[in-house]
Amino acid sequence: NAGVTQTPKFRVLKTGQSMTLLCAQDMNHEYMYWYRQDPGMGLRLIHYSVGEGTTAKGEVPDGYNVSRLKKQNFLLGLESAAPSQTSVYFCASTRGETQYFGPGTRLLVL
Amino acid sequence: GDSVTQMEGPVTLSEEAFLTINCTYTATGYPSLFWYVQYPGEGLQLLLKATKADDKGSNKGFEATYRKETTSFHLEKGSVQVSDSAVYFCAPGSSGGSNYKLTFGKGTLLTVNP
Repeated sequence: NAGVTQTPKFRVLKTGQSMTLLCAQDMNHEYMYWYRQDPGMGLRLIHYSVGEGTTAKGEVPDGYNVSRLKKQNFLLGLESAAPSQTSVYFCASTRGETQYFGPGTRLLVL
Repeated sequence: GDSVTQMEGPVTLSEEAFLTINCTYTATGYPSLFWYVQYPGEGLQLLLKATKADDKGSNKGFEATYRKETTSFHLEKGSVQVSDSAVYFCAPGSSGGSNYKLTFGKGTLLTVNP
């Protein structure tokens, strides 16, 4: 049981480039979430999904898109990266109240 | 909307000292309350939770009591260890329809020195 995994662990992008972050969970959880963590800001919800084929906006969705084509995967896309998107990104999943987090992806946009 | 205020850090203590990290929240109704912990270089993990008023959550020597009248959920530990050094997040839950979301505080960095 790997829990929640994230790919990649670290990435450097240039402004304007695109990339996709992958989150995978093997716990058969319905709900999945993408957060970003910035110094002094805590965790802020970007997008979330309550089931396969569904997505919804969170607190800071601008500049990001998501897809949940398979129940176990939740993808976060940056179409045109900006320096303001430099952050640590965490994925989480849950079936009830407790959220299980991945180890994070550190993204640096130059 | 829901919000949470937790004690700003950083907090630096000596081993075996008493720890309190304050957390207050505003929310619709009576949400479940959580403390998550993030060790260096890792993702967050659940430390403890309480689901109704006057409930006490506990784990690894940490405790927090759901205080409805003061809308608080303060984290305490009687004797901290070096291994407790981490960032602690208070998070009230919210339920609305078919989703379940958490609102995280900004986090409190705890450093415990030997």
